[in-house]
Amino acid sequence: AQKITQTQPGMFVQEKEAVTLDCTYDTSDQSYGLFWYKQPSSGEMIFLIYQGSYDEQNATEGRYSLNFQKARKSANLVISASQLGDSAMYFCAMREGRKRGSTLGRLYFGRGTQLTVWP
Amino acid sequence: DGGITQSPKYLFRKEGQNVTLSCEQNLNHDAMYWYRQDPGQGLRLIYYSQIVNDFQKGDIAEGYSVSREKKESFPLTVTSAQKNPTAFYLCATGSGSNQPQHFGDGTRLSIL
Repeated sequence: AQKITQTQPGMFVQEKEAVTLDCTYDTSDQSYGLFWYKQPSSGEMIFLIYQGSYDEQNATEGRYSLNFQKARKSANLVISASQLGDSAMYFCAMREGRKRGSTLGRLYFGRGTQLTVWP
Repeated sequence: DGGITQSPKYLFRKEGQNVTLSCEQNLNHDAMYWYRQDPGQGLRLIYYSQIVNDFQKGDIAEGYSVSREKKESFPLTVTSAQKNPTAFYLCATGSGSNQPQHFGDGTRLSIL
């Protein structure tokens, strides 16, 4: 089963509008972390925002916010006031909690959403 | 500057040849990871290492090999057993569980 599901292969938004990119996750762990990354056409992966499973408030970083709905296992990324430079691929990722005897866990990535911002 | 250096940026492999992708970090992170990216498939984990001299297979390890002799270095060898190696390869490092992974700029591998 997919750990991370991103159901929108592509999204379009007009400049200065807000856009929501969907992400649902699957885990039986109580402790986990959710991450969003941006990948421009040049290929580098840029970290945007993090939400821990025990965080009571939704994470925010500038124009990025994470709409965390734990019961629905959803962690949608909201980008406010879109800019042309926001056009990129966006990935949702999850790290499950540390298991007994292990150190740092791996990340599971979704397939990504290609966002296009038009003027 | 602190960061992750992947080299080369572009690499071409001949039939039956092994090639090695380099990943070096000076972030002092314990964990290092190799991902493969194909169009429309997101990032898939090949191998990861959480400490020196130890590594684990990821989801698509067949046809690949790694070593972790130094904390700073985690090279990936694409062997001739990997029949479809054309992809974008990303190396990453990790520290705390609530910290993001940091990525290199990637290596694009193609078959000649």
